[in-house]
Amino acid sequence: GESVGLHLPTLSVQEGDNSIINCAYSNSASDYFIWYKQESGKGPQFIIDIRSNMDKRQGQRVTVLLNKTVKHLSLQIAATQPGDSAVYFCAENQMDGGATNKLIFGTGTLLAVQP
Amino acid sequence: KAGVTQTPRYLIKTRGQQVTLSCSPISGHRSVSWYQQTPGQGLQFLFEYFSETQRNKGNFPGRFSGRQFSNSRSEMNVSTLELGDSALYLCASSLATGYNSPLHFGNGTRLTVT
Repeated sequence: GESVGLHLPTLSVQEGDNSIINCAYSNSASDYFIWYKQESGKGPQFIIDIRSNMDKRQGQRVTVLLNKTVKHLSLQIAATQPGDSAVYFCAENQMDGGATNKLIFGTGTLLAVQP
Repeated sequence: KAGVTQTPRYLIKTRGQQVTLSCSPISGHRSVSWYQQTPGQGLQFLFEYFSETQRNKGNFPGRFSGRQFSNSRSEMNVSTLELGDSALYLCASSLATGYNSPLHFGNGTRLTVT
């Protein structure tokens, strides 16, 4: 499959461990944030989102934390599995009253799960 | 429910030619956006359509254009292709614009310009 980002930061974890992927966003006016997972040869897949009026949101095996003070997002994956191996992107949206779906994407982090 | 469908999956064109890429959104989705993905620049926003109207446009030259049809299907066109236009072009759809309406992406069209 195609390679997405040849020089990405890489996080290597053991199967069963918890993973934490970090992201710094750029615009203090951004008020909606989304995490995507991209496997080789595929488009980004929605994982979880969070609005700026929240600090934490949980999904199935995933948790997103938002720290607006330092403009930082993190994605926590519990009990990481080989199928979690992919590139993970954070994206920010300055919703401006909900008028746009324009997303600004981070550079991505390659998560490599070792069996 | 079928996901976002993009055609063709792969394209090879030569410099100076033009190309049209097609996107069928998830059924019921009215908003369609396009992104370009390259190893050097990452994912970059091209444009966004809602109900056949362009709502937003990214920082790309006028050679990049798009449109949306009444059935929400969308096409993007790149004229006078340059080598630097080689990229994965991704289409995404959502129910509307706003919170709790995240974008859902297709698997892209891989364009190679020679």
